[in-house]
Amino acid sequence: DQQVKQNSPSLSVQEGRISILNCDYTNSMFDYFLWYKKYPAEGPTFLISISSIKDKNEDGRFTVFLNKSAKHLSLHIVPSQPGDSAVYFCAASGGSGYALNFGKGTSLLVTP
Amino acid sequence: DSGVTQTPKHLITATGQRVTLRCSPRSGDLSVYWYQQSLDQGLQFLIQYYNGEERAKGNILERFSAQQFPDLHSELNLSSLELGDSALYFCASSLAEYNEQFFGPGTRLTVL
Repeated sequence: DQQVKQNSPSLSVQEGRISILNCDYTNSMFDYFLWYKKYPAEGPTFLISISSIKDKNEDGRFTVFLNKSAKHLSLHIVPSQPGDSAVYFCAASGGSGYALNFGKGTSLLVTP
Repeated sequence: DSGVTQTPKHLITATGQRVTLRCSPRSGDLSVYWYQQSLDQGLQFLIQYYNGEERAKGNILERFSAQQFPDLHSELNLSSLELGDSALYFCASSLAEYNEQFFGPGTRLTVL
């Protein structure tokens, strides 16, 4: 039962433009959301998080937006750089514990 | 470098065998999580320890067990291995249970 869904397996964006990665969740008990970036043969790297009491969190080029009523969050990367090319995972926790529930990832390709 | 270390990096073994994967959390982190990443299932939570005590279990098979030692390192034991156990196994740690988790580089297990 996939409680966190990333419906776009891949995304291609030109360098300098905005990348928008989307994530939907089904469990209304989730109250903490995170984005991770993963390169092949490496572990996921923490990027940014947001708790359910906020609807936006920014860190440099990365901004996460949370729409609780729609059970939807998105990661915006502005401006996109070729080094951002990686697989991005959305994750959520809450309710009965702190374990992360992951989406299946979106592969972002930023082209020069 | 997340500060989480995992050994070995690669492990090749035969069906029916038993292996032990080791994880050292970031300095000061009390919580350790184990995740399995297989091609079709994505990242799945297995088990969590906090300061030596088991806190939560996810999709962990009965053939698998784990523990966290007084020095806070953790081991994941996989026994009676089957072909389907071939996967990447990640360890993550966090300062407290509600903090973001930082992942190690993973152990790639291949069961032949």
